[in-house]
Amino acid sequence: QSALTQPASVSGSPGQSITISCTGTSSDVGGYNYVSWYQQHPGKAPQPMIYDVSNRPSGVSNRFSGSKSGNTASLTISGLQAEDEADYYCSSYTSSSTVVFGGGTKLTVL
Amino acid sequence: EVQLVQSGAEVKKPGESLKISCKGSTYSFTGYWIGWVRQMPGKGLEWMGIIYPGDSDTRYSPSFQGQVTISADKSISTAYLQWSSLKASDTAVYYCARQRVTMVRGNYYYYYMDVWGKGTTVTVSS
Repeated sequence: QSALTQPASVSGSPGQSITISCTGTSSDVGGYNYVSWYQQHPGKAPQPMIYDVSNRPSGVSNRFSGSKSGNTASLTISGLQAEDEADYYCSSYTSSSTVVFGGGTKLTVL
Repeated sequence: EVQLVQSGAEVKKPGESLKISCKGSTYSFTGYWIGWVRQMPGKGLEWMGIIYPGDSDTRYSPSFQGQVTISADKSISTAYLQWSSLKASDTAVYYCARQRVTMVRGNYYYYYMDVWGKGTTVTVSS
C-alpha cells in the first residue's frame, strides 16, 4: 500500500487560509469516507483534527475544515495562526482493511 | 481524561528482543481497538496494526506482518508491541493510539485514531 500523496510543504501568512491536499486512489481516499487528518508539532504525538472527511473532534477549532472530491481529500485552515505551524498528515481506510497515511506536509506560518 | 501511557525510551543492540507497552486509563479498555504507529527519524507516520483487547483479535499491516507482534493483557488494560530480534532499521518512535472502528454490514472500518500516547523512542545500535 503506497502512502497517500501530500505536498511536502505549504506556507501562509497569519490570517490567511491554506489548503493541504491528499491524493490517493479509488481503493482508499476515493472509495471510503474514512479520511482523517492529524496535526503534529515537533517532538509531540499526532493529534486528530478531522475525521470522516469533514468532522471535527470535540475541542478542535472550527478554523479547520475538511473535504473530499474523488480521490483527493483536502484540509483547509482559515485565519492562520502561529500555533498552526506543524506537520499535517492525512490518513484513509483502505480496501485491504488497513490504514494508510500520507507522507506529511510541513506548514510554515510566515 | 482518557489517557494512553506508554513505557519509557529503550536503547537496544541488534538481535536483542524488546516489548514496549501502552496502558489505557479512564475508559473501558476492552471496548476499543488499540493501534500502533511507527515514525522513523525525520519521516512520516506508518500504521502497523491493531488489537481488540476484549478478545485479542489482531490485524497487521502487510508491511509489518511477521516483523512485530501485537498483544494485550486486558486484566491490566495494557497493549504491547514486541520484537524478537531487533534491527537497526527498527529505530523509531512508536505511538499507540485508540483506533476508532465502525462495523457496517458485517465489515470493520477503521476510521480514525482519537487518543494517542506520547510515544516510545526505540534506538537500536551496536
